Amino acid sequence: GAVVSQHPSRVICKSGTSVKIECRSLDFQATTMFWYRQFPKQSLMLMATSNEGSKATYEQGVEKDKFLINHASLTLSTLTVTSAHPEDSSFYICSASKDRGVGNTIYFGEGSWLTVV
Amino acid sequence: AQKITQTQPGMFVQEKEAVTLDCTYDTSDPSYGLFWYKQPSSGEMIFLIYQGSYDQQNATEGRYSLNFQKARKSANLVISASQLGDSAMYFCAMREGRGYSTLTFGKGTMLLVSP
Repeated sequence: GAVVSQHPSRVICKSGTSVKIECRSLDFQATTMFWYRQFPKQSLMLMATSNEGSKATYEQGVEKDKFLINHASLTLSTLTVTSAHPEDSSFYICSASKDRGVGNTIYFGEGSWLTVV
Repeated sequence: AQKITQTQPGMFVQEKEAVTLDCTYDTSDPSYGLFWYKQPSSGEMIFLIYQGSYDQQNATEGRYSLNFQKARKSANLVISASQLGDSAMYFCAMREGRGYSTLTFGKGTMLLVSP
């Protein structure tokens, strides 16, 4: 079964509104979670690293004020797309690892399809 | 420079045949892990197989095996006895030896399995 759950799986919002996407680790504590964005027929692009109890670390070119990340607990990270515009329409997916170390599998949520109209 | 290179944008294979998806990587870190994920049209990322840089043997998981050639820095995925349900996007990814480091992905290979 899934060990990382993401919600909602699909969301349509109006331009100018904000949308929140949740990522939960179901049976383990995740000190660190990762948020990715994926355009059609392209690879996953890391947006930010979400750290529990501290500020997220954003990748170069990702707007911090537009993509707000909050890691409120060891099992929940949220991504809020603020003042969404049609160009923000994309597939967003989170991931988490149970432990440190290269050999520990990184599990992904189911992903969220965002459409801004 | 790209850390993960997948040179095949698309591959076709007939059902029940074997197929190899190529992946080369670049890192100076002696400790790293290589992963393959399958992404069907629904979008979820399904973990397939893992190979550690210090592993002596090639990883295998059911119909999936990883042809790990460390000197060539390649980690090709071999799918034996292809099934129609194997049609999907396949991503090779690497995780380098830093604490909670994330995955770096290749551009992916779209595999189509025909009857």
